[in-house]
Amino acid sequence: GQNIDQPTEMTATEGAIVQINCTYQTSGFNGLFWYQQHAGEAPTFLSYNVLDGLEEKGRFSSFLSRSKGYSYLLLKELQMKDSASYLCAVTDSNYQLIWGAGTKLIIKP
Amino acid sequence: ETGVTQTPRHLVMGMTNKKSLKCEQHLGHNAMYWYKQSAKKPLELMFVYNFKEQTENNSVPSRFSPECPNSSHLFLHLHTLQPEDSALYLCASSQGGEVGGYTFGSGTRLTVV
Repeated sequence: GQNIDQPTEMTATEGAIVQINCTYQTSGFNGLFWYQQHAGEAPTFLSYNVLDGLEEKGRFSSFLSRSKGYSYLLLKELQMKDSASYLCAVTDSNYQLIWGAGTKLIIKP
Repeated sequence: ETGVTQTPRHLVMGMTNKKSLKCEQHLGHNAMYWYKQSAKKPLELMFVYNFKEQTENNSVPSRFSPECPNSSHLFLHLHTLQPEDSALYLCASSQGGEVGGYTFGSGTRLTVV
């Protein structure tokens, strides 16, 4: 079966750095997405990786290793507003989006 | 606002009620989706419409009935629901047929009593 694994919950301190990992087993691969979802709000697009390596976008970076079935989302200079759930999703060979259950990130002062 | 609007934001309904969820997008997207989001579970794809045609129904019970009158509007008609159907129902849209991101609405928080 197809599976996306990510930690259920993580806690970090304001101003620090946090890395949220995502591992996947899917039938084929056509890209990996990270979305951010604040409580009671819509998931919003953060990043898309289809080639190996690091994509940097401001305080957020996303890394992909296709051979390892692994990605991470790196958040730097954490702010209280970064408290949210972070969803990892992979597009399989049929261009279906397979979702992880999300990682709830709690930022403490 | 993300460009995808869902109403109502919250809904409480009894198991014998009939209600409808509405989704509207003005992004010019060709594909629209209904997802169910339950606590600590992955998003579950329910229905997909491409150019108003239903292209996917992920074994969803018949008590959920989608309707897509045009590319900008999507409805989910609810009838005789069960308490386990309580969840956040998210609508999304995309250009379709491409490897691209989805734009989500804020969802309808549904509680079945």
